[in-house]
Amino acid sequence: NAGVTQTPKFRVLKTGQSMTLLCAQDMNHEYMYWYRQDPGMGLRLIHYSVGEGTTAKGEVPDGYNVSRLKKQNFLLGLESAAPSQTSVYFCASSTPGQGLWDTEAFFGQGTRLTVV
Amino acid sequence: KQEVTQIPAALSVPEGENLVLNCSFTDSAIYNLQWFRQDPGKGLTSLLLIQSSQREQTSGRLNASLDKSSGRSTLYIAASQPGDSATYLCAVCASKIIFGSGTRLSIRP
Repeated sequence: NAGVTQTPKFRVLKTGQSMTLLCAQDMNHEYMYWYRQDPGMGLRLIHYSVGEGTTAKGEVPDGYNVSRLKKQNFLLGLESAAPSQTSVYFCASSTPGQGLWDTEAFFGQGTRLTVV
Repeated sequence: KQEVTQIPAALSVPEGENLVLNCSFTDSAIYNLQWFRQDPGKGLTSLLLIQSSQREQTSGRLNASLDKSSGRSTLYIAASQPGDSATYLCAVCASKIIFGSGTRLSIRP
């Protein structure tokens, strides 16, 4: 049982390049999330999805786009990478509850992205 | 605006000690609070989830309490072991999910 899998695990981009981070979960979860983690700032929500075909903005959505074409996959895109997007990116998934995040959340291993 | 604070930022104790990690939040209107563990270079693992109507949750040597009125949660670790060394994060869920910046715990053998 793989849980939540993120690809790639590491990537170095040049400023202005684009890339897509893939998150896949095999737990049939409805909710999926993308976070970034920066030193001293905790995790911040970029975008999230409450079901296939739906997406919504989180706390820091600028510069990112997402798509949820299949229930098990949640893609995070950077159209024109900037050094400020250097971070560790985490994907998570959970089942629906009363609130946005009312049940245990499962996280991927993270993608370390450096933009030079 | 909800703010989540974890103090101390780092803690080092000898093996076998009982210890308490603190999490405070400014807005008591939350759905739940969750404690996570993060090992270096790894993702987060959920440890305990406390619903807003609950006062505490227990799992093995871990006990988490929640006092919404005072905006506090504590994670109690009994009989600490070197394997408990990790960063511990709390997150509160309301209209948004806000994480604290974590407490880096080191257990000395």
